Amino acid sequence: AQTVTQSQPEMSVQEAETVTLSCTYDTSESDYYLFWYKQPPSRQMILVIRQEAYKQQNATENRFSVNFQKAAKSFSLKISDSQLGDAAMYFCAYRGPIAGGTSYGKLTFGQGTILTVHP
Amino acid sequence: NAGVTQTPKFRILKIGQSMTLQCTQDMNHNYMYWYRQDPGMGLKLIYYSVGAGITDKGEVPNGYNVSRSTTEDFPLRLELAAPSQTSVYFCASRETTATEAFFGQGTRLTVV
Repeated sequence: AQTVTQSQPEMSVQEAETVTLSCTYDTSESDYYLFWYKQPPSRQMILVIRQEAYKQQNATENRFSVNFQKAAKSFSLKISDSQLGDAAMYFCAYRGPIAGGTSYGKLTFGQGTILTVHP
Repeated sequence: NAGVTQTPKFRILKIGQSMTLQCTQDMNHNYMYWYRQDPGMGLKLIYYSVGAGITDKGEVPNGYNVSRSTTEDFPLRLELAAPSQTSVYFCASRETTATEAFFGQGTRLTVV
């Protein structure tokens, strides 16, 4: 079974600074997807960024980027120019391949990291 | 376009009571999922469905039942509620070949 570990229960950052959230995972599959979700106090699960394992290039979405190290099974999220609206719980998640296998798109989540942004 | 709609948003149950959490999606997605999120923790899969009439257990199915009679609806039934079922419940759906799943707003359930 796959596991996802977020070793930082809480992180804080000053507004306009950069912060990196860590995530490691364990899997025997070679084809998979990794995600970072943001959960603000409203509870809504918001997809921040995703990475396909077969792509060597790290994904980027505006101020959000990832450092995907497949051999090390590491998937960190970097938030640049942090804003007050970035304050939330962040979850790292894993899913298996779309085609074949028995994953059926099921997501395995890490424990989450609470991010505080100081003005 | 409503997306994934969950009702109710909040509910307090007494120990031993039963209830159904409703989930409906209007995107014609075949895949649907129920997750629970305990305080300060990540989401865990309860049940999932790959299409109408087909359901299967996830990581934490004990104490729950599901049905999928239509593509749109995927209700989660709690029988004999217990304090351990106090949690936030999320329903999600996904188009068959898509990478991304869409989540509902969640239902906060407290069992006292």
